[in-house]
Amino acid sequence: KQEVTQIPAALSVPEGENLVLNCSFTDSAIYNLQWFRQDPGKGLTSLLLIQSSQREQTSGRLNASLDKSSGRSTLYIAASQPGDSATYLCAVGSNTGKLIFGQGTTLQVKP
Amino acid sequence: NAGVMQNPRHLVRRRGQEARLRCSPMKGHSHVYWYRQLPEEGLKFMVYLQKENIIDESGMPKERFSAEFPKEGPSILRIQQVVRGDSAAYFCASSPPPAQGVENIQYFGAGTRLSVL
Repeated sequence: KQEVTQIPAALSVPEGENLVLNCSFTDSAIYNLQWFRQDPGKGLTSLLLIQSSQREQTSGRLNASLDKSSGRSTLYIAASQPGDSATYLCAVGSNTGKLIFGQGTTLQVKP
Repeated sequence: NAGVMQNPRHLVRRRGQEARLRCSPMKGHSHVYWYRQLPEEGLKFMVYLQKENIIDESGMPKERFSAEFPKEGPSILRIQQVVRGDSAAYFCASSPPPAQGVENIQYFGAGTRLSVL
């Protein structure tokens, strides 16, 4: 049974810092991995999708890596801004289509 | 192109009533997924549907919950005889038909927040 874990559960950093969010999964036979952002009381916004055959994806200040053999993914945020404050969710995709989510990392970027 | 539309955004029901949650996928998307986010918990998969078919319902509670995605109209998640433990945010996501060699992103709606009194 696939389990997804995110560490840390919460993170507070000053504006401008580079930071890394971690995601681990127990079954390396994944279809893809997605990183989402969730603002309080809102839905999910897809940030990056890494296919099982890829090792990383980049979008603006965000870079996500995938190491299937070790069951790990990281989301790197460069030059963090207060607007980056949100909960970041990692989700592993199966071949049946469903996503299995981690508990999320709640990020606070202080001005 | 409107995104995934869920309504209502907020729904209040008394114990024993029925709750109907609606989801209109993005234009051109024929795959719908429902997830539930209980307070202080992560999102959990409930059901995956294509038009007129349930593909995977492994996350659906055995009783009181049902889902459909008819040929015409939105997908409906129905909860009969609601209990306080059903209070949660229910999210719908949609994706286009799978294309060979392309792994599809799921696009999420804003969710329906169900409160059971």
